[in-house]
Amino acid sequence: GDSVTQMEGPVTLSEEAFLTINCTYTATGYPSLFWYVQYPGEGLQLLLKATKADDKGSNKGFEATYRKETTSFHLEKGSVQVSDSAVYFCALRKFGNEKLTFGTGTRLTIIP
Amino acid sequence: DVKVTQSSRYLVKRTGEKVFLECVQDMDHENMFWYRQDPGLGLRLIYFSYDVKMKEKGDIPEGYSVSREKKERFSLILESASTNQTSMYLCASSFWDWSNEQFFGPGTRLTVL
Repeated sequence: GDSVTQMEGPVTLSEEAFLTINCTYTATGYPSLFWYVQYPGEGLQLLLKATKADDKGSNKGFEATYRKETTSFHLEKGSVQVSDSAVYFCALRKFGNEKLTFGTGTRLTIIP
Repeated sequence: DVKVTQSSRYLVKRTGEKVFLECVQDMDHENMFWYRQDPGLGLRLIYFSYDVKMKEKGDIPEGYSVSREKKERFSLILESASTNQTSMYLCASSFWDWSNEQFFGPGTRLTVL
């Protein structure tokens, strides 16, 4: 079946450091890929998405590129802030299917 | 603003009790979803509904049922709560289009003693 694998956390970085959170997927066909973020005490919210190979999603300084050849969708940010501390979830969704398949989540903590 | 609300942020129940978790969305979304979130397991889909009175099982429906009598409201029911149902429960909704994002509520942390 479809699955999403994320790098295990927790990840702790200093403010202004470069961030990468790895995400790879297994799915038949051509899924859409998503990054969701969950801030403390809140529900998930969509951070960015990409719907086809080589698409780059971006938002709030975060970027991720849909790499079909490596089945990856790694999340990057050039300079993280304390306010980026949250749990990040990678997810996929197949064409015509309402269901999202999530990774296990990566907790990110940014220290000043 | 899109808003998905859940009836309780925290809930404590006893084993064997019947538990109702309510979710309301104000976006006129066709689809509504119930997930549970557990450390190390991410989010897992329990049930979803694509229309009033319609429902489909997700990955882990055992021990749960759902009800959707009105478009804006989707209820998750634990017929007889057990300790292994202690978890964070998240509701989400979206328009009927596979490419649309799902909007999440703040979650209900349920503890079953």
